[in-house]
Amino acid sequence: TQLLEQSPQFLSIQEGENLTVYCNSSSVFSSLQWYRQEPGEGPVLLVTVVTGGEVKKLKRLTFQFGDARKDSSLHITAAQPGDTGLYLCAGEDTGNQFYFGTGTSLTVIP
Amino acid sequence: EAQVTQNPRYLITVTGKKLTVTCSQNMNHEYMSWYRQDPGLGLRQIYYSMNVEVTDKGDVPEGYKVSRKEKRNFPLILESPSPNQTSLYFCASSPGAWSANYGYTFGSGTRLTVV
Repeated sequence: TQLLEQSPQFLSIQEGENLTVYCNSSSVFSSLQWYRQEPGEGPVLLVTVVTGGEVKKLKRLTFQFGDARKDSSLHITAAQPGDTGLYLCAGEDTGNQFYFGTGTSLTVIP
Repeated sequence: EAQVTQNPRYLITVTGKKLTVTCSQNMNHEYMSWYRQDPGLGLRQIYYSMNVEVTDKGDVPEGYKVSRKEKRNFPLILESPSPNQTSLYFCASSPGAWSANYGYTFGSGTRLTVV
């Protein structure tokens, strides 16, 4: 069962543009993480959010956990080619089960 | 350097020929897990281990075996590989059972092709 749906699935933008990636579920999650995966490598943890409404910033990346803890978003400001990669959300539900989303493949064109 | 090491990185094998993918971590992590990654399906958990000699099935365990005889090693065994096990495999570890306090450290992946 796929609990975490990410959108868009693919995104290609020009350098300097802003973008938002979404991670949605009908289930409540006790916490949610975002990972970035570059070609030929494993995912690398970017951030963990645990409180409904929580916002965290990592340089040009802003992560938000929905008030109801069912969804999350990742906003990138002034995207750079180095941001290219597969972005994965992952959540732990209230039954302590852990799931990954299907991913958003981002390409930033110089 | 703290890391999860998987071997081999690439493997092509024939149907039915037993194979083992090794995974080792040097961070003294208790929790280890195997995932497979397929287009459109994301990362799906195969097996996980909470500690030495403690393993349990994930979402897609059929056709796989694991063992955890030592804390640092968590090999994935395919006794009789089939073409539907062609995939990209990742080993991951964490200090404890996953919670908001931890994140996974992933290996670099093993791309397996079964012909």
